[in-house]
Amino acid sequence: GDSVTQMEGPVTLSEEAFLTINCTYTATGYPSLFWYVQYPGEGLQLLLKATKADDKGSNKGFEATYRKETTSFHLEKGSVQVSDSAVYFCALSSSGAGSYQLTFGKGTKLSVIP
Amino acid sequence: DAGVTQSPTHLIKTRGQQVTLRCSPKSGHDTVSWYQQALGQGPQFIFQYYEEEERQRGNFPDRFSGHQFPNYSSELNVNALLLGDSALYLCASSRRGSSGANVLTFGAGSRLTVL
Repeated sequence: GDSVTQMEGPVTLSEEAFLTINCTYTATGYPSLFWYVQYPGEGLQLLLKATKADDKGSNKGFEATYRKETTSFHLEKGSVQVSDSAVYFCALSSSGAGSYQLTFGKGTKLSVIP
Repeated sequence: DAGVTQSPTHLIKTRGQQVTLRCSPKSGHDTVSWYQQALGQGPQFIFQYYEEEERQRGNFPDRFSGHQFPNYSSELNVNALLLGDSALYLCASSRRGSSGANVLTFGAGSRLTVL
């Protein structure tokens, strides 16, 4: 079945540091890939997405590129801020009948210190 | 424009009891999905409703059931509660048939504690 593996946290960075959160997946067909963010006490918010190989999703300075050859969708940001502190989830949505069902990774907690 | 709203935000039950959680989807959305998020874990898909029918179901027992109403709102019911049902229950909505059909809008969740 479908699965998502993302790097274990927690990750602690200083403000303006470079961020990478690794995500790899296993899926049949050609899934869509997502990064969701969850701030304390809130639900999940879509951060970015990519729907086909070599697509790059970007939003709020975050980027991720859909790499079919390595089945990866790593999240990056060049300079993190304290306000980026949250839990980040990588997820996939399989093509076909399951297109509305998301499979999530376990999440990576990011803490950014001033 | 209201997003996805869920109620109640927090509730405490005891083992063996039953619980009903409610969800109103984002305006313009017609599909509702429910997810269970245990502490420190990613959300897990429970089921999805469209046109008042359960369309897809994850690996959850029959104790978990749901309903969708003509106004697209939805309920999640859990019977015979177990301690392991303690979790954040997330409702998500989307619009079937749109180009962004697999982009879900999530509510803030209902935090269920089973004692």
